[in-house]
Amino acid sequence: QKEVEQNSGPLSVPEGAIASLNCTYSDRVSQSFFWYRQYSGKSPELIMSIYSNGDKEDGRFTAQLNKASQYVSLLIRDSQPSDSATYLCAVIRQGSYKLIFGSGTRLLVRP
Amino acid sequence: DAGVIQSPRHEVTEMGQEVTLRCKPISGHNSLFWYRQTMMRGLELLIYFNNNVPIDDSGMPEDRFSAKMPNASFSTLKIQPSEPRDSAVYFCASKSLRETGELFFGEGSRLTVL
Repeated sequence: QKEVEQNSGPLSVPEGAIASLNCTYSDRVSQSFFWYRQYSGKSPELIMSIYSNGDKEDGRFTAQLNKASQYVSLLIRDSQPSDSATYLCAVIRQGSYKLIFGSGTRLLVRP
Repeated sequence: DAGVIQSPRHEVTEMGQEVTLRCKPISGHNSLFWYRQTMMRGLELLIYFNNNVPIDDSGMPEDRFSAKMPNASFSTLKIQPSEPRDSAVYFCASKSLRETGELFFGEGSRLTVL
C-alpha cells in the first residue's frame, strides 16, 4: 500500500462548479498535510496546509482533514479554467522532516 | 528572493555517462531535498539534508546515485553511470527547519538518458 494515495483522474468539472479532490494516507502518525498544485512542465507550489481535524478555508480553497479516517480533501469553489493542473497531496510523519507525495490528481476545468 | 536555482534545466546524455545536477537553495533555508518525478512513479524523495548533513538517503535508488552538500548554498546529485531508466525530472527543494510547512521547489532538471 502506498503511503499517500490519490485518484489519478482526470477529474473534469465545468467552470463555476466545485471540484473535490481526495487523498488517503496510511501512516496514523502523520501530522502535517499539504496540497500542492503543479501545472504541466512546472514545479509544484503550495496552495494549502492543514494540521488539525476540521476545515481550513483560504479564498476559493478549503482543505478538510479527518485523522480518524486518515483522509484529506481539497475543495475548489467556483472552479476556473486556470485551476486546471495536477493536485498533489503530501504528508509529513510525526518526528520526521520527510514530505511524502501522492501521485497526484489531474483536474480539468471546462470553460 | 531568487528562489531555488537548479542547473542544468535540460540534459541529454548517453547511457554510461556521468550526470551532475546542481542546486542552490534559498538563502537562509537549512533543509534541502532532492526529488525525482516520472509519470509512472510520481514524485519520489531521493535524499534530504538538514544543516548540510544527509539525514535520510533511503530513497536513493542504487549506488549509481550520490548526493553531496558541501556548504549551505550548494548541493549536487550525481549519477554515474547513467541509464535510460534514470530519465526523469529531478527537483531540488528547500525549507527552513523552523517552519513546519512550505517546501520551495526549483524549476527542475529534465534528464534524458539515451
